[in-house]
Formats: sequence, structure tokens, C-alpha cells
Amino acid sequence: GDSVTQMEGPVTLSEEAFLTINCTYTATGYPSLFWYVQYPGEGLQLLLKATKADDKGSNKGFEATYRKETTSFHLEKGSVQVSDSAVYFCATNTGNQFYFGTGTSLTVIP
Amino acid sequence: DTGVSQDPRHKITKRGQNVTFRCDPISEHNRLYWYRQTLGQGPEFLTYFQNEAQLEKSRLLSDRFSAERPKGSFSTLEIQRTEQGDSAMYLCASSPAVGMGTDTQYFGPGTRLTVL
Repeated sequence: GDSVTQMEGPVTLSEEAFLTINCTYTATGYPSLFWYVQYPGEGLQLLLKATKADDKGSNKGFEATYRKETTSFHLEKGSVQVSDSAVYFCATNTGNQFYFGTGTSLTVIP
Repeated sequence: DTGVSQDPRHKITKRGQNVTFRCDPISEHNRLYWYRQTLGQGPEFLTYFQNEAQLEKSRLLSDRFSAERPKGSFSTLEIQRTEQGDSAMYLCASSPAVGMGTDTQYFGPGTRLTVL
């Protein structure tokens, strides 16, 4: 079945630092790829998505590119803010089921 | 607020008791999903409905778990004879069945279950 492996955390960065959270996937067929974010005490929110190879999803300064050749969908942000502190989940969707990674906790310190 | 809502947000129960959770999806969404999330893990798929039909169930969904969506709108998830291992966050999500965005699920805030 499908699976997602993402970078283990926790990750602690200073404000304005560059962020990369690695995500690789295995999937049958051609999945859509997602990053979801979970702020403390809140539900999962869609951050960005890409539906086919070489697509780049972007939102709120975050970006991720669907790399079929490396089966990866790494999340990047050029300059993180304290408000970006949250848990980030990479996910694939083939058909009707989502497969999530274990999540990467990010803490940004002023 | 037209997002996915779940009730209750928190539930504490004693082992052996039955509990029921409710999910109200985004009104125009035909598909509804239940997930379980334990501490430090990503959500794990439990089951999904298209309208009132339950189309897929994970093997994680033991016979103590039952989900319904009788009128194709809200859904309930019942756990009978709860066990301490059932303690988790139960998440509901919805998506449209046709048109743009069918591959994207929108999540509710979750119901946190604690079994003592």
C-alpha cells in the first residue's frame, strides 16, 4: 500500500531561518501530494497540494514541488516566523484514502 | 462557519463504556471520512462514506466500532466496550465527490477520547 516517510522532528529554528522538511512517498498509481498543518489545539488544515509531477504547490510562503523521479515532496520556506510553529504532515491521496506521515513538529523561536 | 464540525471536542469515559461521536461535514460535500490519530502519529484512515453508503473500512476498524451516515449528511462513530487503547483523537473530514477539489479533504477539529 501507499506510505509516506517524513523527516523526524522536532525541529527548532530561529525566526527568519530557512526551513526544509523532507517527505518521500511510495504509491501505486499517480497520487496527489499534500502538506497539512496542525496548529496547537486545532484541526488539520490544508497548507498546499500538487496533483501531478513537477507541479509546485505554494501557500503562505511555503512551497513544495512534486518530484516523481525522487518520489519526494519536500516542504520549504525561505524565512520562518514564530507563527509557523506547528506540526506539519505530508500526505498522499490515491483514490479515496489519505496516507499521512508521522508529522514533523516545528518550533520557531524569536 | 461552514467548516467541518465535530461533537464533543473532548470525551472522558471509563473502560467498558460505549461512546458516540458526531461529525457534520461541509454541507455540499458528499464524501465523509473518519480517521484516528494517536500521539506522535499521523492520522490513520478508519472508514469513508459517499452519501449514506459506507464504501470502505480499514482493518483498524474492529467490530467494536461502527459508523453510520443515515441521511447522507452528518455521521456518527460509535465505540462499544471502550478499551484504554482506544484513547486517541478521532478526526472527521469531508470532500466533494465531483468537480474541483475531490482529492482534497477538509478536516474537523477532532474529538479527543480518553479511556480511563
